[in-house]
Amino acid sequence: GAGVSQTPSNKVTEKGKYVELRCDPISGHTALYWYRQSLGQGPEFLIYFQGTGAADDSGLPNDRFFAVRPEGSVSTLKIQRTERGDSAVYLCASSSGAGYNEQFFGPGTRLTVL
Amino acid sequence: QQQVKQSPQSLIVQKGGISIINCAYENTAFDYFPWYQQFPGKGPALLIAIRPDVSEKKEGRFTISFNKSAKQFSLHIMDSQPGDSATYFCAASGNQFYFGTGTSLTVIP
Repeated sequence: GAGVSQTPSNKVTEKGKYVELRCDPISGHTALYWYRQSLGQGPEFLIYFQGTGAADDSGLPNDRFFAVRPEGSVSTLKIQRTERGDSAVYLCASSSGAGYNEQFFGPGTRLTVL
Repeated sequence: QQQVKQSPQSLIVQKGGISIINCAYENTAFDYFPWYQQFPGKGPALLIAIRPDVSEKKEGRFTISFNKSAKQFSLHIMDSQPGDSATYFCAASGNQFYFGTGTSLTVIP
């Protein structure tokens, strides 16, 4: 079956602009995670959804970052007033549940803020 | 504060050799320790994982050694192959997943 997909694969924007990054998880997976990966670093946790609700958003760096998952499937990560420091690869992962369940990662969206 | 410390940053191994990557953690509440493999332009993919109630887990050429008292765990890749060349991340999970900084492995033919 299809894996986790993310769109766009690349996004270039100007400082101060608003961006939306989309994640399509594996069908039937109730848990969805967003991570940010900077060059040469491991993924850094941003937010975790269980179903439609954000079960843990403690990794969001500030209030410019927001994520939704209105129907418990597709999720959108929204970044307002982008800054150059937001440039990174944004990874989405899904799993059939929390805890010990394997997380399946998408290919990521590379965001570049000029 | 880095929750999971990983070393080395990079590793070069001859084909057929053993690759060893080490990780250490502080939080004793962590209860799941996966290793991920990542190729350029791709997302991380689960390689092998262990829980703290066992000291070793082997899957094919990949082995995790886990030392609960020392709060350390390592990945051993036996008979390393050029196709193993990738970046490897350890991780530890409690309520969240915390990843190490990664090890770039190059296997020379």
